Order: sequence, then C-alpha cells, then structure tokens
Amino acid sequence: EVQLVQSGAEVKKPGESLKISCKGSGYSFTSYWIGWVRQMPGKGLEWMGIIYPGDSDTRYSPSFQGQVTISADKSISTAYLQWSSLKASDTAMYYCARHRDGYNVRYFDIWGQGTMVTVSS
Amino acid sequence: EIVMTQSPATLSVSPGERATLSCRASQSVSSNLAWYQQKPGQAPRLLIYGASTRATGIPARFSGSGSGTEFTLTISSLQSEDFAVYYCQQYNNWPSLTFGGGTKVEIK
Repeated sequence: EVQLVQSGAEVKKPGESLKISCKGSGYSFTSYWIGWVRQMPGKGLEWMGIIYPGDSDTRYSPSFQGQVTISADKSISTAYLQWSSLKASDTAMYYCARHRDGYNVRYFDIWGQGTMVTVSS
Repeated sequence: EIVMTQSPATLSVSPGERATLSCRASQSVSSNLAWYQQKPGQAPRLLIYGASTRATGIPARFSGSGSGTEFTLTISSLQSEDFAVYYCQQYNNWPSLTFGGGTKVEIK
C-alpha cells in the first residue's frame, strides 16, 4: 500500500525548534516530489514548499521562504519540515503529500494524515 | 502568483440534489487543475486531476470540467458522505501550487 505516515502531534513553546517528519512507503520515494501544506485552524490549504528526495532539489513558496526548512533523507524514505524558532502563528495542521515529476502530473495524489503543531506559552 | 478563487464559500444542498462548485484562476492554468475533498478531521483526498479525470476509486457522480481560467466541479446527486469542504488547486505554474479558498458543501 502506498502511504505517507507523519510524526505525531507536537506542543511547543514560542522560540523552540521543531522538526516533523513524513515517511513514504509502498513506492519509489526518490521518484516523487514531497510537498508540505499548512492548514491553520478553521482555514484553507496553503502550499509551503516541495522537495525531490532523489537529489534534494527544494522549492519554497515565497510566503514561507526563510521561515521553514524542508529536507529529506532518501536512505530512510523520509521528508522533514523544520522550524528554528517557533511562533504562536505557526499553530496549525501540517500535511505532507506527494506528486509525480512532469509537466501535467503535479497534483497531490497521496497525502499524509497530518501533524498538529501547537505553539503556546 | 496565480490566485485561485472559489465560489460560493458555502453551498447548502439537500441530499440527492446536484451541487455545482466553481473555481476561477487569475490567469490561464490550461487543464492543470485538481479538486480535493476534505472531511472534518481528515486529510484532503484527490478527486479530480487534469480538470476532468476522476482519481482512482472516485464515484462517477463527481465530474469536473473547464480549462483556462474557469472550472467547475459537479456532484450529480449528493450523498451523505459528500458533505465536506472542496478545494481546487492549480499546478500549471509549478513550483507554485496554489489552492483556492475552499467551498463548504453543507446539508440544507
């Protein structure tokens, strides 16, 4: 079964660092892009950035450039999203999702279950 | 950045009725448009890609149409499990993969 399994919910204080993960299985992890999507409480979906685990090529939404770091370890089929200094406004559900490489196939066909991040003092 | 605008924000429909959701792009995205369904407490699920192709396992009551800047998702006869929030997303302007704001389909 093709799936993306994300790490569990996190509760952090402002200023703390955090790294959440997304592990792929059932497919060739290095042949698909992995994207990260934010959903703030009661709000819509926002694309944050994507990474190609095959060569770690990474692209960021301008809204998130410099705010987060996306990385991947292809040896363990896992992508990461990390913050160096969390803010209360980072409180949200974060989803990873995959898309194929190619001009007209870049839709997210498989999604992780989501990781809830709560930042509160 | 391409802006995706969905309307209406909320659609009230009775079970068995047809629902028509709209998505407009601020510039042409060709047919590189996907629709996702999200139920409360769940991750989004791919419904439609290429503006009109149903994803694997999606019932035939879901259909997509349009190209360029105007797109429509139609649910021909709403079932109880279809009440959810629906998002469109363009992937023509990759790596920017912008989503619309969503349409909530609720029971009338």
